[in-house]
Amino acid sequence: GNSVTQMEGPVTLSEEAFLTINCTYTATGYPSLFWYVQYPGEGLQLLLKATKADDKGSNKGFEATYRKETTSFHLEKGSVQVSDSAVYFCALSDQTNAGKSTFGDGTTLTVKP
Amino acid sequence: DADVTQTPRNRITKTGKRIMLECSQTKGHDRMYWYRQDPGLGLRLIYYSFDVKDINKGEISDGYSVSRQAQAKFSLSLESAIPNQTALYFCATSDLDRTGYTFGSGTRLTVV
Repeated sequence: GNSVTQMEGPVTLSEEAFLTINCTYTATGYPSLFWYVQYPGEGLQLLLKATKADDKGSNKGFEATYRKETTSFHLEKGSVQVSDSAVYFCALSDQTNAGKSTFGDGTTLTVKP
Repeated sequence: DADVTQTPRNRITKTGKRIMLECSQTKGHDRMYWYRQDPGLGLRLIYYSFDVKDINKGEISDGYSVSRQAQAKFSLSLESAIPNQTALYFCATSDLDRTGYTFGSGTRLTVV
């Protein structure tokens, strides 16, 4: 079946540092890949997505590239801010799982001033 | 108004009580889901529905039931609440599998 493995947290960075959160996946079909962000006390929000190999999703300074050869979708940001402190979830969706999404366990990011 | 609205936001209930969590959406999506979130366990799927007449169990459906009253409404019930059902519950909707989910703000349920 499908699975998503995320880099374990928590991750603590200083403001303006470079961020990478690793995500690898296993899927039998050709999945779409997503990153969601959950700010404290809120629900998950879709941050970015990519629907085919070599696509790059981007939003709010975050980027992730769909790498089929390495089955990865790592999240990056060049300069994090305190307001980026949140939990980040990697997810995939494909037709072999009736379109339901499979989520990683989440990575908690704390950015210190 | 939020695209996906969950009520209540917080609830404390006693063991053995029946409780209903409600979800309504204005996205016009056919697909709706209920997840629970526990610390260190990520999101686990309880039930999902791809249209009003299609209800399916997720990975942890025991102790829960759902009702899809309309395209826009999907309720989750705990027939007899127990303490290990204390968690954060999320409703989500989606259109097609490649568009991602829209989540509600969650219901924090405590069973004492």
